[in-house]
Formats: sequence, structure tokens, C-alpha cells
Amino acid sequence: GAGVSQSPSNKVTEKGKDVELRCDPISGHTALYWYRQSLGQGLEFLIYFQGNSAPDKSGLPSDRFSAERTGGSVSTLTIQRTQQEDSAVYLCASSLVGGGSEQFFGPGTRLTVL
Amino acid sequence: AQKVTQAQTEISVVEKEDVTLDCVYETRDTTYYLFWYKQPPSGELVFLIRRNSFDEQNEISGRYSWNFQKSTSSFNFTITASQVVDSAVYFCALSEAGTSYDKVIFGPGTSLSVIP
Repeated sequence: GAGVSQSPSNKVTEKGKDVELRCDPISGHTALYWYRQSLGQGLEFLIYFQGNSAPDKSGLPSDRFSAERTGGSVSTLTIQRTQQEDSAVYLCASSLVGGGSEQFFGPGTRLTVL
Repeated sequence: AQKVTQAQTEISVVEKEDVTLDCVYETRDTTYYLFWYKQPPSGELVFLIRRNSFDEQNEISGRYSWNFQKSTSSFNFTITASQVVDSAVYFCALSEAGTSYDKVIFGPGTSLSVIP
């Protein structure tokens, strides 16, 4: 079956522009995660969705970052007024039930802010 | 606060050597999960193992083995007879019952290069 997909795979934008990153989780997975991976760094937790519950936004680095998940499936991570320090790979993962179960990762979106 | 430390930033070994990747974690919770993930050069992270805090039995899966020791807050990963395909970045991670296990904290990763 299909894994987690993300689009675009690469995004180059100018400082100050808004960007939207998309994640399609594995069908039937109730939990969805966004992470940020800066060059040579580990994964930084951004936000977590579980079913219809309010998302855990505790990892979002600033109010320029937001995310939504429509219909319990597709998720969009939006970064407003992008800054150069936002350049990173943004990874999405989904898991069947959340709560510490195995996460399946997408290939990521490489964001470059000029 | 949760914290995961992987002190080895980069390791290089010659093929067929054994190698151990260290992971030390910090948590105030008594119930938690520990994970290892592999990120090959292609980029996609792949789940390797999950351990809960009540199960300290070591685990072996083929050439991979994991040593969980609560006394030292360590969850080390050993690859026996390493192969070139083992070259990747390996991440150790932790999630706590206090956050319903939902917030997974990853360590900085260890980059392993296996030289033929």
C-alpha cells in the first residue's frame, strides 16, 4: 500500500513569503506528526494530530507556523512570512493509533528560504 | 524534561566490524517508550524497535541487538558484522506516558559510515 507522501519535495521561496507544505498520511492512520530537521540536526517536534482531538501545538517555534488537518486525513503545514532560519527539511509521519506506536515517515519537503 | 543524548556524532567502521551506538535518556516519568529509527541516505526514516520502560530484556533481531538498562538510563544499539547497507543516521527517541506518549523526542542522531 501507499506510504506517507509529502508535497512538494522541494520548495524554494523568498524571505517574507508564505509557504504551504502538504502531507498525505497512510490511509486509516489516526495520528499525524510534523517534524523539522535542520541540516545535521535531529528531529524537532512541531505538532501532533490525533483523530478529532485538539492538536498538540507545543512544538511550533513561533506564531508564524500553523497546521491543520482536514477530515482527519490530509494535513497542511503553513509558514507565514518565512525567514532564512526556517530553511530545513519538514518531515511528516503518521501512525495507526498514536500513543507511542510506530511512526511511518514521509520523504520530507526541503524548504529553502532565500 | 525529556532529553535524549547520542554522544557519538559520527562513527566509521570497516565492514564486518561490530559497532555500538549509544543512547542516554532523561525522564521523570516511570512509564515511557524508547525507540530507534534509521535514516538511510535516501532520507526516509524507518522504524527499528520500540521498548517500553517495564521491559528490560535485551532484544536481538538478526544482526541488530539492543541493550536497555534503566539503571544507567541507556538504550544502546549494536550492529554485529556491519555491512555497507547499514550506513545511515540512527536516531534514538523517547516518549512519556505523561504526554500520552504522543510527543516523541528524538536525539541528535549518530551518523554511521560502514567502509567496504
